[in-house]
Amino acid sequence: QVQLVQSGAEVKKPGASVKVSCKASGYTFTSYAMHWVRQAPGQRLEWMGWINTGNGNTKYSQTFQGRVTITRDTFASTAYMELSSLRSEDTAVYYCARNSYSTTGTSYYAMDVWGQGTTVTVSS
Amino acid sequence: QSALTQPASVSGSPGQSITISCTGTSSDVGGYNYVSWYQQHPGKAPKLMIYEVSNRPSGVSNRFSGSKSGNTASLTISGLQAEDEANYYCSSYTSSSTLVFGGGTKLTVL
Repeated sequence: QVQLVQSGAEVKKPGASVKVSCKASGYTFTSYAMHWVRQAPGQRLEWMGWINTGNGNTKYSQTFQGRVTITRDTFASTAYMELSSLRSEDTAVYYCARNSYSTTGTSYYAMDVWGQGTTVTVSS
Repeated sequence: QSALTQPASVSGSPGQSITISCTGTSSDVGGYNYVSWYQQHPGKAPKLMIYEVSNRPSGVSNRFSGSKSGNTASLTISGLQAEDEANYYCSSYTSSSTLVFGGGTKLTVL
């Protein structure tokens, strides 16, 4: 079945970086773009950016521009999100989510399959 | 990119209908038919309920419907059930080729 499995929880100190992985299975990895979304405790969903898993092109939210890097390893069917210069406000659950398409390949700009989430805690 | 505006909370009794609004601008909601809605139960990952304003993914109940007028999109849930109690988020594509979420709405089934 189609699923996204993310790496485990992380605890980081302020100023450090964190890299979260998202392994896809059950479908052709390079045919679907991947989004990254985060949710701070009790807060709303926040879109961080996405990657065209076919050619590696990325687009980031201005909120995270300069601090976030999304990459992929097509051989491992895995996407990665790295966030640098961590601060306490980055404490959140980070999700990867697959972009949805029509049968003719038109993007719906919606997220139809989600990972289980990775909790990142930033604390000194 | 500012978050789309949703009411913080709505409520309804079982069997009733409720509507959640999602207001943006002509650069997002009003400019594209790429509005999606997500349901999120506490401690769980979000679930796609509506895409392209009014389309339901396979497996989503037809009690869920979506629409849009101008810069405001809406999610309507008819025949409310206890299991519908959750947080709901709208999302839209934007003129910057990014996505933006709403602030979220907590639905309480009385």
